[in-house]
Amino acid sequence: QKEVEQNSGPLSVPEGAIASLNCTYSDRGSQSFFWYRQYSGKSPELIMFIYSNGDKEDGRFTAQLNKASQYVSLLIRDSQPSDSATYLCAVNRNTGNQFYFGTGTSLTVIP
Amino acid sequence: NAGVMQNPRHLVRRRGQEARLRCSPMKGHSHVYWYRQLPEEGLKFMVYLQKENIIDESGMPKERFSAEFPKEGPSILRIQQVVRGDSAAYFCASSPARGGAYEQYFGPGTRLTVT
Repeated sequence: QKEVEQNSGPLSVPEGAIASLNCTYSDRGSQSFFWYRQYSGKSPELIMFIYSNGDKEDGRFTAQLNKASQYVSLLIRDSQPSDSATYLCAVNRNTGNQFYFGTGTSLTVIP
Repeated sequence: NAGVMQNPRHLVRRRGQEARLRCSPMKGHSHVYWYRQLPEEGLKFMVYLQKENIIDESGMPKERFSAEFPKEGPSILRIQQVVRGDSAAYFCASSPARGGAYEQYFGPGTRLTVT
């Protein structure tokens, strides 16, 4: 079983819609959760991090965490073509050294 | 530029040669992580270092790969006797402190091609 699982997609949404990206993790001891965006040929760019159950909002982005279900998601409101990228979910136990990354979900926003 | 720096950005080596990848962490960061990313695959953890100390190298192949982070200068990932399977993007990330509570910031990566 992989530490972090994501649907590889591709996920296509029309411009202006809400894009919903999902991630599940296997280790109940995970405490820190991160979303990165990676454009093709570029390095991962941190979008958001969340530590507590519930929602965390930052501009058009909302991260949602449900530790009981071992589930974390990222919502992108008013999606723009520039949001087209691969989105990586990463988790870590605060006492641990390793960050475990999912293989990413490819998002395409159609103008 | 206070971001994570990596060089070279592109590196071509013939089979059997050595590859040296360098990473300078973000200003104020003392923790460095190295990852490898193959096409269509996720980021794979390789090694975690602090200054003069390897904290966790559990993701690094036992042979041909080594890493260091000296007191002065950048962190270096060294691959000896490269093989075609080593061709990948190698990313370095830095964080301000130890532990997963602190987010990581990535450098631009080094694309290694082994011919």
